[in-house]
Amino acid sequence: GENVEQHPSTLSVQEGDSAVIKCTYSDSASNYFPWYKQELGKGPQLIIDIRSNVGEKKDQRIAVTLNKTAKHFSLHITETQPEDSAVYFCAASIQRGKLIFGQGTELSVKP
Amino acid sequence: NAGVTQTPKFRILKIGQSMTLQCTQDMNHNYMYWYRQDPGMGLKLIYYSVGAGITDKGEVPNGYNVSRSTTEDFPLRLELAAPSQTSVYFCASSPDRVNTGELFFGEGSRLTVL
Repeated sequence: GENVEQHPSTLSVQEGDSAVIKCTYSDSASNYFPWYKQELGKGPQLIIDIRSNVGEKKDQRIAVTLNKTAKHFSLHITETQPEDSAVYFCAASIQRGKLIFGQGTELSVKP
Repeated sequence: NAGVTQTPKFRILKIGQSMTLQCTQDMNHNYMYWYRQDPGMGLKLIYYSVGAGITDKGEVPNGYNVSRSTTEDFPLRLELAAPSQTSVYFCASSPDRVNTGELFFGEGSRLTVL
């Protein structure tokens, strides 16, 4: 069935360094790829999304890239700060308008 | 603006008991969802609804039931609780189909079945 694989499961970086999280998806019909950030004890919140007609999208320190041929997309966070520490989820839309989520990446930014 | 509100935040159940997780949203969103989150497994869709009176199964519907009598409310019912249903449950809503915009999540309900 449809699935989304996310790597790594944990990521530790020094403050100011960059962080990259990668996802691959299986459904070639997927056309919407959001990223959610989940802080401790909270529900996930959308931080950035990209659609299949775009290869890259940036919003201040975060960017997402999409390679439809290879069926993978990535989240890039530059100049990381302690408040970026959280669990990040990628997702891909599948037929009938549902979202399939990746397994999550726990990002830790050390001061 | 309250957004998506879930109750209770924590609950412990015994095997075989039943309970309902409540979810209400005040954004007049048509679409509502229930997800469960297990460690290392991401978010799995249990049920969703595209409007009042319409519900459909997600990836992991077994052991759960839902109803959608109003736009605002989307309760999740566990009829015979099992240890495999120990999880954190998230309700979410969106104004339109998920591939057109953001999902708004509640803060979650942590359920333990002993």
